[in-house]
Amino acid sequence: DTEVTQTPKHLVMGMTNKKSLKCEQHMGHRAMYWYKQKAKKPPELMFVYSYEKLSINESVPSRFSPECPNSSLLNLHLHALQPEDSALYLCASSQVTGNEQYFGPGTRLTVT
Amino acid sequence: RKEVEQDPGPFNVPEGATVAFNCTYSNSASQSFFWYRQDCRKEPKLLMSVYSSGNEDGRFTAQLNRASQYISLLIRDSKLSDSATYLCVVKMVLMEYGNKLVFGAGTILRVKS
Repeated sequence: DTEVTQTPKHLVMGMTNKKSLKCEQHMGHRAMYWYKQKAKKPPELMFVYSYEKLSINESVPSRFSPECPNSSLLNLHLHALQPEDSALYLCASSQVTGNEQYFGPGTRLTVT
Repeated sequence: RKEVEQDPGPFNVPEGATVAFNCTYSNSASQSFFWYRQDCRKEPKLLMSVYSSGNEDGRFTAQLNRASQYISLLIRDSKLSDSATYLCVVKMVLMEYGNKLVFGAGTILRVKS
């Protein structure tokens, strides 16, 4: 089973709201990722967790805060976002970093 | 120079045609390579890994040329369902941070009846 699940599928939030995106995998993968994807662009890496520790932060603004509660779960906490943060947020996992990644269906976020 | 470069297309081909995409990468130390496909408003899905000896999966063949630092994907007997964006992906080694995958901008394929 190569399934990564994400909730919610869609999210509309105001610039003063706080919300969280959730991602889960049960493949025993030890690397998990957050990507942001704008229309007609490739996925853009935001964060990498390896063995539940943050290993890469691609200079993401602090209004995005990742959390890895355990080896199966990855959260992305959102606070005081801007309209330009509207995008598809994809979670992915792999056995270890650098291996083929499996993506969840994404959360389509709109910031109003 | 971009780390991974692809011809954005679109490639418009009739059903049954053979089509090939190329991708070049800048880091000669790169070791792992993949092709993903992404349908409109969906997540990327792994199509195939690319091995040094080349590999084939049904109508799809991937080749790696390390000397010239390019990867290719050949699709034979194109189907309407092959219409998608094809992403070339290269593993980058970050010595102290581990590894990450770098995505090309994607090549759009449209197969028409």
